[in-house]
Amino acid sequence: EAQVTQNPRYLITVTGKKLTVTCSQNMNHEYMSWYRQDPGLGLRQIYYSMNVEVTDKGDVPEGYKVSRKEKRNFPLILESPSPNQTSLYFCASSFGGRNQPQHFGDGTRLSIL
Amino acid sequence: KQEVTQIPAALSVPEGENLVLNCSFTDSAIYNLQWFRQDPGKGLTSLLLIQSSQREQTSGRLNASLDKSSGRSTLYIAASQPGDSATYLCAVRSTLTGGGNKLTFGTGTQLKVEL
Repeated sequence: EAQVTQNPRYLITVTGKKLTVTCSQNMNHEYMSWYRQDPGLGLRQIYYSMNVEVTDKGDVPEGYKVSRKEKRNFPLILESPSPNQTSLYFCASSFGGRNQPQHFGDGTRLSIL
Repeated sequence: KQEVTQIPAALSVPEGENLVLNCSFTDSAIYNLQWFRQDPGKGLTSLLLIQSSQREQTSGRLNASLDKSSGRSTLYIAASQPGDSATYLCAVRSTLTGGGNKLTFGTGTQLKVEL
């Protein structure tokens, strides 16, 4: 089944403890992206990747890191999480053409205490 | 900077009613517009994608239209059912934002279809 898989789905952690949210897709998509969703603000892009070893900042990259060492994986790293990063996070992927639909994972709910 | 607005924020209708959800965007330089459905605790499911050169797309009871020049899209749902209850999001892919790869989302319309 074609899908975008995020792990973990839920995480409660404390300020300053490094964490990684994994994202994997099995559709051979070139393009991958991370979004966060907050009430009243909608989904905002954090980082995106056009292909392996090619990443760029979205609208709200502060406090996040990403890497794209393999085509199928695009992990989101919070080096020193803070409470303002408490949010619902989504990973998305698509083929490289700009008229391709994006496919989303089921989301990761992070709570930073 | 592209901005996307969805009105109304919430909508409650009786089962069987036809309904229209609205989406407007400020910059008409777009590649496409995509409608999504989001269920509680779930990710986004793509419903329809309209290319900038198209006027509408249909899938089952759903019909989405696009008027790029006026910056508007509508999602028409025919004969609504309780299973249609969800939050509906529209997103535009702008030509001048993020290398043309970023989706700018509206904040959604929360739809409830009652028996």
